[in-house]
Amino acid sequence: GAVVSQHPSRVICKSGTSVKIECRSLDFQATTMFWYRQFPKQSLMLMATSNEGSKATYEQGVEKDKFLINHASLTLSTLTVTSAHPEDSSFYICSARPGVPGNSPLHFGNGTRLTVT
Amino acid sequence: GENVGLHLPTLSVQEGDNSIINCAYSNSASDYFIWYKQESGKGPQFIIDIRSNMDKRQGQRVTVLLNKTVKHLSLQIAATQPGDSAVYFCAENMKADKLIFGTGTRLQVFP
Repeated sequence: GAVVSQHPSRVICKSGTSVKIECRSLDFQATTMFWYRQFPKQSLMLMATSNEGSKATYEQGVEKDKFLINHASLTLSTLTVTSAHPEDSSFYICSARPGVPGNSPLHFGNGTRLTVT
Repeated sequence: GENVGLHLPTLSVQEGDNSIINCAYSNSASDYFIWYKQESGKGPQFIIDIRSNMDKRQGQRVTVLLNKTVKHLSLQIAATQPGDSAVYFCAENMKADKLIFGTGTRLQVFP
């Protein structure tokens, strides 16, 4: 149980275009989902908290107008990288938990490798 | 930003030996900790967790130790196997339900 699915797994786009990444909780509902970014050989950095039915909460230094988050249902959150540039190339990973915060682990999708040319 | 590690430390062990991976966490108020395993090109996979009211928890071939005095976590893997080769991250649950990751350690298992 507690499966989180991401789509697409890989995407290549041209500089200036926008890319949408989907994150779904397949067998549980999630009022909150989390988006992370990971550069090569580095750790995961929390970008934002996606809240169902309300605005996302962004971490310091993350541009909310560049990384648009929509959490329209209890099983789907989307991250749109707008006007992508080569420095946005990274591994984007979403996560969610079926249980109580602080007492159950986050489960992660398999990530989306974004390459901006 | 938080927890940006420029270079992952590496632990090399021989197959069959025990591995110990260490992690220092940052916030003394964190009350829940998790170890994740990440294989190349995949998302992190849950291994084991521990709450701050415990100092040791055991799973199958894995043990997590928590020392709150010095804000230190360790993951012990018994009889390490080639399939254990991956990057291991500790994560601490902070306020507002945020899970913050440590730098990570690459475990390499050689025959």
